[in-house]
Amino acid sequence: QVQLQESGPGRVKPSETLSLTCTVSGGSIRTNSYYWGWIRQPPGKGLEWIGNIYYSGNTYYNPSLKSRVSISVDTSKNQFSLKLSSVSAADTAVYYCARRGLLTGAFDVWGRGTMVSVSS
Amino acid sequence: QSVLTQPPSASGTPGQRVIISCSGSSSNIGSNTINWYQQLPGAAPKLLIYNNNERPSGVPDRFSGSKSGTSASLAISGLQSEDEADYYCAAWDDTLKSVIFGGGTRLTVL
Repeated sequence: QVQLQESGPGRVKPSETLSLTCTVSGGSIRTNSYYWGWIRQPPGKGLEWIGNIYYSGNTYYNPSLKSRVSISVDTSKNQFSLKLSSVSAADTAVYYCARRGLLTGAFDVWGRGTMVSVSS
Repeated sequence: QSVLTQPPSASGTPGQRVIISCSGSSSNIGSNTINWYQQLPGAAPKLLIYNNNERPSGVPDRFSGSKSGTSASLAISGLQSEDEADYYCAAWDDTLKSVIFGGGTRLTVL
């Protein structure tokens, strides 16, 4: 079955760019049935959708983060990536990658998550 | 303050039936399907209910979802200790053009 794994630095300095990659295994990222997305969760708080990408490269971002977010896909590596610029302490969170059904809109497969702290 | 409103906490004893509510508006629950996620302590969220009331393979039929107008609810019957977790509702919002999550409900099994 499809599995997702996040990777990237666990600490980023304020004003710099957070970069994470999600590797998809057990299935192809080139599917017309799913989006690939990022969700984050600050410590002790709820979930926040960051954005989705389709394998063709079409992207959909949370308007509240749109000016700072970029999601890209590398079908040759079966990976998709997140970049969040100009980070601050408010961006400290566990970042999850997940698969989102095109028809259901549900995130049905999740990665284990990776904690990213923004500090100097 | 989340656009989807959930009670911050809920509780029940083993074997009881518990209902968790999720209140929204015409731009989200009123016009789109709702999904529910379970997050066990220290774990990633897991899809529990999709399309308002459908269960993914492997989710026990003790869990059920419903929707009426701009509100939705998750019912857990035959409550078990392993159901102790955070539960989140989620939907697309046509006005915000965003996936939105409820603030989450922490379920305690007494």
